[in-house]
Amino acid sequence: NAGVTQTPKFQVLKTGQSMTLQCAQDMNHEYMSWYRQDPGMGLRLIHYSVGAGITDQGEVPNGYNVSRSTTEDFPLRLLSAAPSQTSVYFCASSYGAGNTEAFFGQGTRLTVV
Amino acid sequence: AQSVTQPDIHITVSEGASLELRCNYSYGATPYLFWYVQSPGQGLQLLLKYFSGDTLVQGIKGFEAEFKRSQSSFNLRKPSVHWSDAAEYFCAVGSLNFGNEKLTFGTGTRLTIIP
Repeated sequence: NAGVTQTPKFQVLKTGQSMTLQCAQDMNHEYMSWYRQDPGMGLRLIHYSVGAGITDQGEVPNGYNVSRSTTEDFPLRLLSAAPSQTSVYFCASSYGAGNTEAFFGQGTRLTVV
Repeated sequence: AQSVTQPDIHITVSEGASLELRCNYSYGATPYLFWYVQSPGQGLQLLLKYFSGDTLVQGIKGFEAEFKRSQSSFNLRKPSVHWSDAAEYFCAVGSLNFGNEKLTFGTGTRLTIIP
């Protein structure tokens, strides 16, 4: 069972570069989301999606774009990387509203220099 | 807006001792509440959850948590910790309208176990 798969696991970017963090799930979950984890701040929601073709902003969306063209995939795009985006990024998926849990990927550690 | 407070940044306990990690939440209606555990370099794993019903919920690895509406708390407990319990623990509250894809997390409590 693959669950939620994130790639890459590690990435170093230069300021101003763009990149896409990949997230794929094989559980047929409708709901997917992206969080960033910073020391002392817990996990903060960047963007989320309640189904294919539907996305919305979370708590800290600036500098990030998302799209959801399929149920399985939910990529996160950094348009122009900044040192403030150095963080660990987690993708999560769940069946949706109700008595369900979120399943998390292993994370992507991103450093912007 | 919903919020979660974990007042203890770091807790150290001896192996075999009991454990209680505190969590207070703010939410306008009946919350969905979760405890997740994160081992170093890993993603988050669900320990337990509360949606309704019995206010004492049992989870994996011998953990339990009690929902107390009057105190807006959802504290995590374990009667006897093991060295493998050393990790970071996150309390989270889910949005009633959108399910748990819109979780709000606390800042986490790091647990250290000493022999």
